[in-house]
Amino acid sequence: LAKTTQPISMDSYEGQEVNITCSHNNIATNDYITWYQQFPSQGPRFIIQGYKTKVTNEVASLFIPADRKSSTLSLPRVSLSDTAVYYCLVGDVWVTGKLIFGQGTTLQVKP
Amino acid sequence: EAQVTQNPRYLITVTGKKLTVTCSQNMNHEYMSWYRQDPGLGLRQIYYSMNVEVTDKGDVPEGYKVSRKEKRNFPLILESPSPNQTSLYFCASSPRDRGGNQPQHFGDGTRLSIL
Repeated sequence: LAKTTQPISMDSYEGQEVNITCSHNNIATNDYITWYQQFPSQGPRFIIQGYKTKVTNEVASLFIPADRKSSTLSLPRVSLSDTAVYYCLVGDVWVTGKLIFGQGTTLQVKP
Repeated sequence: EAQVTQNPRYLITVTGKKLTVTCSQNMNHEYMSWYRQDPGLGLRQIYYSMNVEVTDKGDVPEGYKVSRKEKRNFPLILESPSPNQTSLYFCASSPRDRGGNQPQHFGDGTRLSIL
């Protein structure tokens, strides 16, 4: 199972772009990379998922280099409401249902 | 509305009194999973189910049981709860598409306090 490593915390200011990197050195060939956002006392919420290169949706972009040993979640122009914990998850429930979340990155957005 | 529903949302009980936390999803997802979340430890997987009648242990299964008799329901059972099972619990479900597309949908959580 791929173990993930993320920074424990990050600070940013409103309007800035935030990049959170996750390291997953032993990612398996079939694994997908998924990012979740969690607010206090709520369940995590899916943000974005990718396998390689770049994926973009209406809220974020996900950059995955060719070796897939890391990934970067990019949040454009953050606001105070983006203050949350962000989790990187690596796995593929088609192959195995055992999933290990990383410790998460607490993002604090300041005015 | 697509959702994962957990009940109860809050429960305070005593050591040794059997309890069940229910989880139901209306998205016809094959995969379901239970997590516990404790301060400083993130989300840890308790049990998961790849399909009906198929369950397996996650990272922290001790003291818990699950069943998957039908696709939509995945209850978590604590036969003899102990104080170290005081935690915030989340149920999640996802599709099991072979080509990715596996976002997990989480419930709102169940806060259990075992005295």
